[in-house]
Amino acid sequence: QQPVQSPQAVILREGEDAVINCSSSKALYSVHWYRQKHGEAPVFLMILLKGGEQKGHDKISASFNEKKQQSSLYLTASQLSYSGTYFCGTKPLGGYGGATNKLIFGTGTLLAVQP
Amino acid sequence: DTGVSQDPRHKITKRGQNVTFRCDPISEHNRLYWYRQTLGQGPEFLTYFQNEAQLEKSRLLSDRFSAERPKGSFSTLEIQRTEQGDSAMYLCASSFSTGGFETQYFGPGTRLLVL
Repeated sequence: QQPVQSPQAVILREGEDAVINCSSSKALYSVHWYRQKHGEAPVFLMILLKGGEQKGHDKISASFNEKKQQSSLYLTASQLSYSGTYFCGTKPLGGYGGATNKLIFGTGTLLAVQP
Repeated sequence: DTGVSQDPRHKITKRGQNVTFRCDPISEHNRLYWYRQTLGQGPEFLTYFQNEAQLEKSRLLSDRFSAERPKGSFSTLEIQRTEQGDSAMYLCASSFSTGGFETQYFGPGTRLLVL
């Protein structure tokens, strides 16, 4: 039931790009992306709703393919501040076609950006 | 700082003792969630409230765990007869929702260590 993220870890140099994938076995209503730095709370990045949308702000964007129940997070021209663990949180579809309420978090992707 | 506060930030206790954690959500938020996070894992859903009503509890939440949200404002999570397996970060999140669409904002967490 827990979404699977890939890769598990990635090391980048500043300015390089990365893609983090999130794959669920359940039909999804929405996907929520968070970044968590060591010892801190998860920080919300963006939410994607069913409908196959894409979103982005600054140099971080994401896509959601509801047919494949997959989402990808794209980080371009990475900065040192991007370092942390990225989690996708998924809301499965409820029985009536709406969302269940709890977030089911993925396995996490550790991103390290080096100078 | 997301506006969600938790107290205490750290708690060390001996096995068998009771502990209580408090969460103060963002003031206009009607939903409040509790999650548990162990090292290297994503947050796991425990329970959530809509206003003062507790609407869902995870099977992870044994009889030793109880949560309240009197008056629909702050919430408390109590663990009775703590066990070493209860050692984890306990995260609180709040959101404003009128349907399936919502963004959950996390507090800084309470780190529990059971000796």
